Amino acid sequence: NAGVTQTPKFQVLKTGQSMTLQCAQDMNHEYMSWYRQDPGMGLRLIHYSVGAGITDQGEVPNGYNVSRSTTEDFPLRLLSAAPSQTSVYFCASSYGGANGELFFGEGSRLTVL
Amino acid sequence: GQSLEQPSEVTAVEGAIVQINCTYQTSGFYGLSWYQQHDGGAPTFLSYNALDGLEETGRFSSFLSRSDSYGYLLLQELQMKDSASYFCAVRGGQGGKLIFGQGTELSVKP
Repeated sequence: NAGVTQTPKFQVLKTGQSMTLQCAQDMNHEYMSWYRQDPGMGLRLIHYSVGAGITDQGEVPNGYNVSRSTTEDFPLRLLSAAPSQTSVYFCASSYGGANGELFFGEGSRLTVL
Repeated sequence: GQSLEQPSEVTAVEGAIVQINCTYQTSGFYGLSWYQQHDGGAPTFLSYNALDGLEETGRFSSFLSRSDSYGYLLLQELQMKDSASYFCAVRGGQGGKLIFGQGTELSVKP
């Protein structure tokens, strides 16, 4: 089982460039989310989706866009990258059951110069 | 909004017992979860408490007191491989939306 797959694993951008972090899951999970992790800041929720066609903002949504056209995919778009967006990004999915267990991808490490 | 507090660092010796506390504030509450993360890798699920009391899973136990907005993770018979970051997370709504604490870095010494 692939689980949650994120690409790319590493990326270096220049300020102002745009890019998309890809996330795909093969577990037929309705719920998907994006987190960023910075030293000493824990995991902060960027955006999440409770199903295809439905997205909502998390704690730190500014500078990021998402869409959910299929159950499997939940890409995260940086429209104009800034150095403050240098971080490790994790995608996660859940079947939304009672315990809400999240299954995480391996992370995408982004550096913005 | 939601916020969680947990200690930033805890150190213990191999074979000992350690408790990592978590206090939370949330406008809605569906449960408290715990996750483990090794060296910046993918976080993995450890436990979930929706009701007051203790949940035990092998060497790990988790406790919740909803009236105190407080929970803890208890790790027994510590092993070197337990050195990792541990996060508590509050599920404040349907669909598994989780807000995480800042994490506790556990160092297990020989």
